[in-house]
Amino acid sequence: DGGITQSPKYLFRKEGQNVTLSCEQNLNHDAMYWYRQDPGQGLRLIYYSQIVNDFQKGDIAEGYSVSREKKESFPLTVTSAQKNPTAFYLCASSSTGTGLWGGQPQHFGDGTRLSIL
Amino acid sequence: AQSVTQLDSHVSVSEGTPVLLRCNYSSSYSPSLFWYVQHPNKGLQLLLKYTSAATLVKGINGFEAEFKKSETSFHLTKPSAHMSDAAEYFCVVRTINTGTASKLTFGTGTRLQVTL
Repeated sequence: DGGITQSPKYLFRKEGQNVTLSCEQNLNHDAMYWYRQDPGQGLRLIYYSQIVNDFQKGDIAEGYSVSREKKESFPLTVTSAQKNPTAFYLCASSSTGTGLWGGQPQHFGDGTRLSIL
Repeated sequence: AQSVTQLDSHVSVSEGTPVLLRCNYSSSYSPSLFWYVQHPNKGLQLLLKYTSAATLVKGINGFEAEFKKSETSFHLTKPSAHMSDAAEYFCVVRTINTGTASKLTFGTGTRLQVTL
């Protein structure tokens, strides 16, 4: 079945350490996204990518980095510069559309929960 | 800028009774709106979407929502709640496309509790 796979499901980070969250999709979607979810705050966009080798900052990109070397993969690195990384991270993808009414719904993975040791 | 406001952070209903989850939106043009559901420690699943076609939108699992432009609302309803409906529900508005990506703005969520 097509879908989005995030790994690991749980991740622990030590102070001063960078960690990378994996996101793979086999839906043949061009666009991929990373969100951060904190209790009571909904989801906030970290980064998104519309095409391979291109990505843009979202609303809360500071302390995070991404790459998009393959269409299927969009890993997120939480750097030591992110002072409050404890959160639930969700990856999503969508096919693309143009114009005001274009754009397909986003499909989500099951998330990675990151905690600080 | 587009935004959504979910009017209740928590809703509790008895099994078999109707569900109403309220959402108001703000947009300078007719928006695309979505409802997503999230079960604990899971990703989000699309329930339904409104994209300027019929104002009454039917989704999965018996849910539906009505787009009311005059009230700037997009409330989610279900005639009869089931225990499996207990989850977090998010109302979402799609922002203007930049290039081809579809950017979403999420409400803060409504936790639905279903009791026996």
